[in-house]
Amino acid sequence: EIVMTQSPATLSVSPGERATLSCRASQSVSSNLAWYQQKPGQAPRLLIYGASTRATGIPARFSGSGSGTEFTLTISSLQSEDFAVYYCQQYNNWPPLYTFGQGTKLEIK
Amino acid sequence: QVQLVQSGAEVKKPGASVKVSCKASGYTFTSYGISWVRQAPGQGLEWMGWISAYNGNTNYAQKLQGRVTMTTDTSTSTAYMELRSLRSDDTAVYYCARDTTHWFDPWGQGTLVTVSS
Repeated sequence: EIVMTQSPATLSVSPGERATLSCRASQSVSSNLAWYQQKPGQAPRLLIYGASTRATGIPARFSGSGSGTEFTLTISSLQSEDFAVYYCQQYNNWPPLYTFGQGTKLEIK
Repeated sequence: QVQLVQSGAEVKKPGASVKVSCKASGYTFTSYGISWVRQAPGQGLEWMGWISAYNGNTNYAQKLQGRVTMTTDTSTSTAYMELRSLRSDDTAVYYCARDTTHWFDPWGQGTLVTVSS
């Protein structure tokens, strides 16, 4: 099983600043990585797929990068609505055998 | 718009079974799979398994093999997840999500399953 490790567990950032979240895979997943945002009491929402492609309706301040085992989600200028938990997910298997990272909580500094 | 609507909250006793439904609309149901993901209170996301709505093929997370069954009814565009021999650590919010066989979009609203004696 591919293990996904996110860091840090909690990130404190001020509104308007940049946030950088990391995700590492225990083995290469190529670019088969997605990012999700989850707010309290809500279902997760797809942000990024293919490591760097924004999903429909996702603002341009969200960007993804990386390939292989190291990935980054960057939020360029934090808005109040961006404070949430972020998960990475790999999808490098067939038949489907997906795994999530443990999440990074982005909180207001 | 694409939407997944799940059945309501359930309370079950240890050892019982639960079956959660997920009704899809706004897209061709058989063109995508459905994955199920659960989230225990205060915890992260755990992928449970996948079903192809095209041919019913499934693949389950190893830790749930033998306790979980995923099915679909293409006549009503509904997916189902049944979990048997429930334990207290199965208490969680259960989500269905449209599965492109890669990423999940969108997700259902979630169904809280509480296992308690």
